[in-house]
Amino acid sequence: GAVVSQHPSWVICKSGTSVKIECRSLDFQATTMFWYRQFPKQSLMLMATSNEGSKATYEQGVEKDKFLINHASLTLSTLTVTSAHPEDSSFYICRAREGGFFGQGTRLTVV
Amino acid sequence: KQEVTQIPAALSVPEGENLVLNCSFTDSAIYNLQWFRQDPGKGLTSLLLIQSSQREQTSGRLNASLDKSSGRSTLYIAASQPGDSATYLCAGIAGGTSYGKLTFGQGTILTVHP
Repeated sequence: GAVVSQHPSWVICKSGTSVKIECRSLDFQATTMFWYRQFPKQSLMLMATSNEGSKATYEQGVEKDKFLINHASLTLSTLTVTSAHPEDSSFYICRAREGGFFGQGTRLTVV
Repeated sequence: KQEVTQIPAALSVPEGENLVLNCSFTDSAIYNLQWFRQDPGKGLTSLLLIQSSQREQTSGRLNASLDKSSGRSTLYIAASQPGDSATYLCAGIAGGTSYGKLTFGQGTILTVHP
């Protein structure tokens, strides 16, 4: 059945490097993908909304130059955390508007 | 702007108890409301989705109700078990131009002890 495949499930990176997180829609086309972030012991907060073929819409307080979102095709949306810092360590998860399917989430640890 | 609040923040109960988790939201124009379960370090598992035209949904020992006029939803768990221990999140789903956007509550951490 329809599912959103998110990779990697976890990643550890050094400060200053960039990390790309991918969400692929399987067996369906995702025109819109929502990206959420969850800090430890906190709830999920919407970071941005990506639409295939257009610029992403970022929520207030989210740095668009730091969190680059690309939605170049109907089956792939990516979030790149650029110049990562320890405070970016968090759980990132995507959700397709179509069907409301969530990815499995990515736990990012920046050391 | 939609705000979602969950009470209590944490709950510890002995096995077998029936319990109620509360969720309130500020914008009654929500499209749907959804309850999730999140185990430590894991993603989200959808439990129940209540569409705007519905008042409740049931799945096994779980029952969720929705009262849009009062801005409230409750999740009822019957005969709780240790395996029910997790964080429970409710989320309002927007309609209109923001269709599909979820606003989450802070969650209720549930511990069911044997």
